[in-house]
Amino acid sequence: KQEVTQIPAALSVPEGENLVLNCSFTDSAIYNLQWFRQDPGKGLTSLLLIQSSQREQTSGRLNASLDKSSGRSTLYIAASQPGDSATYLCAVPTDSWGKFQFGAGTQVVVTP
Amino acid sequence: EADIYQTPRYLVIGTGKKITLECSQTMGHDKMYWYQQDPGMELHLIHYSYGVNSTEKGDLSSESTVSRIRTEHFPLTLESARPSHTSQYLCASSWTGRSNEQFFGPGTRLTVL
Repeated sequence: KQEVTQIPAALSVPEGENLVLNCSFTDSAIYNLQWFRQDPGKGLTSLLLIQSSQREQTSGRLNASLDKSSGRSTLYIAASQPGDSATYLCAVPTDSWGKFQFGAGTQVVVTP
Repeated sequence: EADIYQTPRYLVIGTGKKITLECSQTMGHDKMYWYQQDPGMELHLIHYSYGVNSTEKGDLSSESTVSRIRTEHFPLTLESARPSHTSQYLCASSWTGRSNEQFFGPGTRLTVL
């Protein structure tokens, strides 16, 4: 059974510092990996989807890398801002039909 | 911007009431999902649908039921609400043709007294 782990569970950085968020998965036979952002009491916002054939995916200040062989993905957020404060989750499909396993998330606080 | 809607956003009801949480999407996605999430906790899949007239139970046991009569609509029903049902319910959809990238609604915060 696919297990997804996100470490650390919480992270606090000063504004301007780069953020590095980690996601590990146990079964490397994944189709893709998706990163989300969740603000308190809200739904999830899709940030990036990286295909299994890709090594990196970029959107603005966000960059996601994927290393299937080691079962890891990393989300980099450059020059963090207080507005980046949120919980970041990763998810991987558990089958080809569209079911997903989510990590527990990393709660990020960016202090001014 | 994803076009997936949930109503109501907040609901406070008494024990024993029947409730239906609505979820609609205008993107023509074939797959739809219901997740349950307690504050600060992980998401748990409770129901999903691969298409019209298809519904499946998820990984977390739930006393709720769902239906998928139309592509765009995936309501969740609790026949008799209990305090243990107090949680946030998140609806999502995805499309096979777009690598099943998931898009989420804003959620319904349910409180059962």
